[in-house]
Amino acid sequence: GAGVSQTPSNKVTEKGKYVELRCDPISGHTALYWYRQSLGQGPEFLIYFQGTGAADDSGLPNDRFFAVRPEGSVSTLKIQRTERGDSAVYLCASSLSGGNTIYFGEGSWLTVV
Amino acid sequence: DAKTTQPPSMDCAEGRAANLPCNHSTISGNEYVYWYRQIHSQGPQYIIHGLKNNETNEMASLIITEDRKSSTLILPHATLRDTAVYYCIVRVPSGNTPLVFGKGTRLSVIA
Repeated sequence: GAGVSQTPSNKVTEKGKYVELRCDPISGHTALYWYRQSLGQGPEFLIYFQGTGAADDSGLPNDRFFAVRPEGSVSTLKIQRTERGDSAVYLCASSLSGGNTIYFGEGSWLTVV
Repeated sequence: DAKTTQPPSMDCAEGRAANLPCNHSTISGNEYVYWYRQIHSQGPQYIIHGLKNNETNEMASLIITEDRKSSTLILPHATLRDTAVYYCIVRVPSGNTPLVFGKGTRLSVIA
């Protein structure tokens, strides 16, 4: 079956603009995670959803970052007033509730110029 | 913060076994050891996980010491396509706790 799907795969935006990144998890996966990865670093946890609710948003760096998952499936990561430091790969992952294996998408490469 | 320590880089000759070490001396009794890898420009890929017994699957073997303070991931016959960053992570699987990544080990398989 299909894996975790992320769109867009690449996004270039100007400083100060608003950006939305979409994640379509594996069908039936109730847990969904967002990570951010800068060059040369491991992925950094941002937020985790169990169903529709954010169970842990402790990794969001500031209030410019927000994520939603209104129907418990697709999730959108929203970044307001983008800054050059937001340039990174944004990874989405999903798993079954209590599942041992977390599956990652290919990421959305965001460049803020 | 990541609870694991890994060497930053390793080389391995193609066709030979790649042995990637990981220290997790503060691992808790209910934490599992997970290994993921990330090939350039791709998302992380699950490899294997274990609690205390050694595990083997089609990709690799995981050897966990008796005191559980360290482990080794073994790729029995490394190929060029195994060149990647390998992450060792400890995690309690219940409650869907997120994976906490360190910097991993960059494995280069050389022809």
